[in-house]
Amino acid sequence: GIQVEQSPPDLILQEGANSTLRCNFSDSVNNLQWFHQNPWGQLINLFYIPSGTKQNGRLSATTVATERYSLLYISSSQTTDSGVYFCAVPTDSWGKLQFGAGTQVVVTP
Amino acid sequence: DGGITQSPKYLFRKEGQNVTLSCEQNLNHDAMYWYRQDPGQGLRLIYYSQIVNDFQKGDIAEGYSVSREKKESFPLTVTSAQKNPTAFYLCASRNRDSGALYFGAGTRLSVL
Repeated sequence: GIQVEQSPPDLILQEGANSTLRCNFSDSVNNLQWFHQNPWGQLINLFYIPSGTKQNGRLSATTVATERYSLLYISSSQTTDSGVYFCAVPTDSWGKLQFGAGTQVVVTP
Repeated sequence: DGGITQSPKYLFRKEGQNVTLSCEQNLNHDAMYWYRQDPGQGLRLIYYSQIVNDFQKGDIAEGYSVSREKKESFPLTVTSAQKNPTAFYLCASRNRDSGALYFGAGTRLSVL
């Protein structure tokens, strides 16, 4: 099946810093989603991004489908950005998703 | 408010007991999913349902059962056959038009 790898596994940031998270996938996909899991476990859908670039406030994401990777940018990080960031790609046409192992982000004041 | 409601937030299971986790959505989504998350790991698919009265096994269905009698509801039963049930369980539904997945707040299950 399709493999999804995220890097780095852990990231510690000082408040105000910028960072880039990466998601590589092993096969062609027609969409990719980024999620943020807060420290209480709630998963929030950040981006649905098959290709190109999208922006939402201080977060933006770019997917280069032909090269099988996606990047999530966090700018001017805040402590509320802490948590785990997951990317996920579909494994079939029924919406089944394969998740990466996640990047644990800690933003310190 | 529109969304996905999971209950209870915390659940304790005794040896040999079946327990049922509730998942209700008012987003009018056809597809619903159950995922399991173990500490420090990603999500693994237990069961999913594309339509009422139909559901499919995911990657780790053994020891679990589901039903889909109503569009809004997709309960998950953790049976006594699941020998390592301690985990965080997440229910999700999918917007058919956009394909985006939306999650409930989760249920933490522990064994007494």
